[in-house]
Amino acid sequence: EAGVVQSPRYKIIEKKQPVAFWCNPISGHNTLYWYRQNLGQGPELLIRYENEEAVDDSQLPKDRFSAERLKGVDSTLKIQPAELGDSAVYLCASSGGQGIGELFFGEGSRLTVL
Amino acid sequence: GQQLNQSPQSMFIQEGEDVSMNCTSSSIFNTWLWYKQDPGEGPVLLIALYKAGELTSNGRLTAQFGITRKDSFLNISASIPSDVGIYFCAGAGYGGSQGNLIFGKGTKLSVKP
Repeated sequence: EAGVVQSPRYKIIEKKQPVAFWCNPISGHNTLYWYRQNLGQGPELLIRYENEEAVDDSQLPKDRFSAERLKGVDSTLKIQPAELGDSAVYLCASSGGQGIGELFFGEGSRLTVL
Repeated sequence: GQQLNQSPQSMFIQEGEDVSMNCTSSSIFNTWLWYKQDPGEGPVLLIALYKAGELTSNGRLTAQFGITRKDSFLNISASIPSDVGIYFCAGAGYGGSQGNLIFGKGTKLSVKP
C-alpha cells in the first residue's frame, strides 16, 4: 500500500514569489492534515480536513496561505506571497479512523525562501 | 497555546545502553503518542497510549501514560545505531479538537557505535 505522497520534495524561491505543495493521502483516509515544521521544532498544525471540509484552520495564516482539498482526496497548500520566515518543511499527514492521533506522514516538502 | 515540554533536548549514549525521555504538559490530554523522525523523512508513529496509567511496549520501546494525564515517558532498552533520530511526544484529545496533535520539540538521540 502506498504511503502519503508529497511533492515537490524541495523548493527554493525568492521572497514574494508564490509556491504550492501537493499531497496525496493514503487511499481511503478521510482526514488530511498539513503541518509546518521549523528547524529544530516539532510539527505545528496548519489545517485539518475531514473529507473536503476544513474543520480546523485556526492556525493557518490566511492572509498568505490557502489550502484546498477538492473531492476529498488530494490537497494543495499554497503560499502567496512567500516570506523569508516561511522557510520550513511542510508535512502532509492522513488518518483513516485508527486511534486518535495515529497519523501517517509524508516525507515533507522543504521550502527555502531567499 | 498548548505546549509540551520534552527532556532531554538531546543525548549521546553508548550502544547497548537504556534510554529514557519524558514529556510534560500543563494541560490534560486524552491520548499520548510517541513518534520518531529520521533525517529527511516524516515522523513515524512508535507507540500510542489511550488510558491514564497505561504501560505499552513495542519491541525494545516502552511508553507510559502518566496517571495525571499531563505527562508521558518513553524508554528504549539496549539501544542500537538505528535508534538514532529525533523522538517527538504528541498529545491529542484536548478540548473539542479530538483529532489535532500537539507536538513537543523533540529529543535528539545519537548513539556512539
